[in-house]
Amino acid sequence: AQKVTQAQTEISVVEKEDVTLDCVYETRDTTYYLFWYKQPPSGELVFLIRRNSFDEQNEISGRYSWNFQKSTSSFNFTITASQVVDSAVYFCALSPGGATNKLIFGTGTLLAVQP
Amino acid sequence: NAGVTQTPKFRILKIGQSMTLQCTQDMNHNYMYWYRQDPGMGLKLIYYSVGAGITDKGEVPNGYNVSRSTTEDFPLRLELAAPSQTSVYFCASTQGGIDNSPLHFGNGTRLTVT
Repeated sequence: AQKVTQAQTEISVVEKEDVTLDCVYETRDTTYYLFWYKQPPSGELVFLIRRNSFDEQNEISGRYSWNFQKSTSSFNFTITASQVVDSAVYFCALSPGGATNKLIFGTGTLLAVQP
Repeated sequence: NAGVTQTPKFRILKIGQSMTLQCTQDMNHNYMYWYRQDPGMGLKLIYYSVGAGITDKGEVPNGYNVSRSTTEDFPLRLELAAPSQTSVYFCASTQGGIDNSPLHFGNGTRLTVT
């Protein structure tokens, strides 16, 4: 079965705190892609990152960082020094290998950053 | 660039009515997708297209139809609307397929069927 689990439904933090959003995936494919998307209150989805299954190097982009661990089937997302503008629903997604054009989304984590 | 444009933004339908959700993109992307987002759930794929004249079913195609007569447009048709189709619908596009380039999403259409 192919599945993405985001166990944290809602997280509330105070501005400047660090926060980690968890993502656990299931797939039997050896080639696959993982993604994070942000959905701010305005509703549109914004692409944040794409990672293929052969690249376990962690990535940092400004205050955002991603930790990909195949051993635990996890692709966690950390926001350092959170800001109110980070308040959004964050989705983790899995694309199974083989150019299937299918993107399996988790149920999302609502992050509320309080001033 | 406008990106991906969806119309309408909101719509209320009565059970049994039909409507078309419009989606157009100005990025010359080959791949286009329709997703629905139910409350507290992730997005589920309804239909997708890899180019003009080519469409294929996604995970939840029942009750919907699509067409792709041009590269720019990918309308989604609801026939005989049912309450189970109450959802937020997102259209998305990408140049090289999901694995090769990020999806660009429209702002969504919130549909209520009563």
